[in-house]
Amino acid sequence: AQSVSQHNHHVILSEAASLELGCNYSYGGTVNLFWYVQYPGQHLQLLLKYFSGDPLVKGIKGFEAEFIKSKFSFNLRKPSVQWSDTAEYFCALYTGGFKTIFGAGTRLFVKA
Amino acid sequence: SAVISQKPSRDICQRGTSLTIQCQVDSQVTMMFWYRQQPGQSLTLIATANQGSEATYESGFVIDKFPISRPNLTFSTLTVSNMSPEDSSIYLCSATGLSSTDTQYFGPGTRLTVL
Repeated sequence: AQSVSQHNHHVILSEAASLELGCNYSYGGTVNLFWYVQYPGQHLQLLLKYFSGDPLVKGIKGFEAEFIKSKFSFNLRKPSVQWSDTAEYFCALYTGGFKTIFGAGTRLFVKA
Repeated sequence: SAVISQKPSRDICQRGTSLTIQCQVDSQVTMMFWYRQQPGQSLTLIATANQGSEATYESGFVIDKFPISRPNLTFSTLTVSNMSPEDSSIYLCSATGLSSTDTQYFGPGTRLTVL
């Protein structure tokens, strides 16, 4: 079955703390993975994506994610979070036929 | 890039009525989609809106309940018919190009509450 799992539904961090949000997927085809972010009151927007090549993908605003095939994981990281990173983060998997399935989302709150 | 707008941004409706949500993209795109995000849950694809033909619905969603139109490359509507409180959700319009590597863009969503 095709699925995307995000381990944490809510994460609270202080500014300057390091961030890692877990994402695991289940899919038998070619893996195309994404992280999307939704800031309060704003549209869902793409943070970064992995299609092939270097498994360490760098995105906007200092975020990166590492694709580990053996662990079926695509964790999102940021070495030092800011208050402005408060948002909801979604991991997503492209399953072909223009369809993307999303994880349940992780709400991140960064304390100033 | 593409900017997507939706109308209305939110609405409160009575049980048994219908609501039509409009989605407008500021540039020509190939694929348009409608998603639902129920409280505390992830985005679920309702259907792919096909230009000039019937939408392609995902399992669990039917045309009678969620009729969709896409008269041209930049505009689509989703109607939530005969609403019940279980339809209370955020409905999102999305658009992308033809390739799996194309970025998928999302509208701001329509927050629907059914009483």
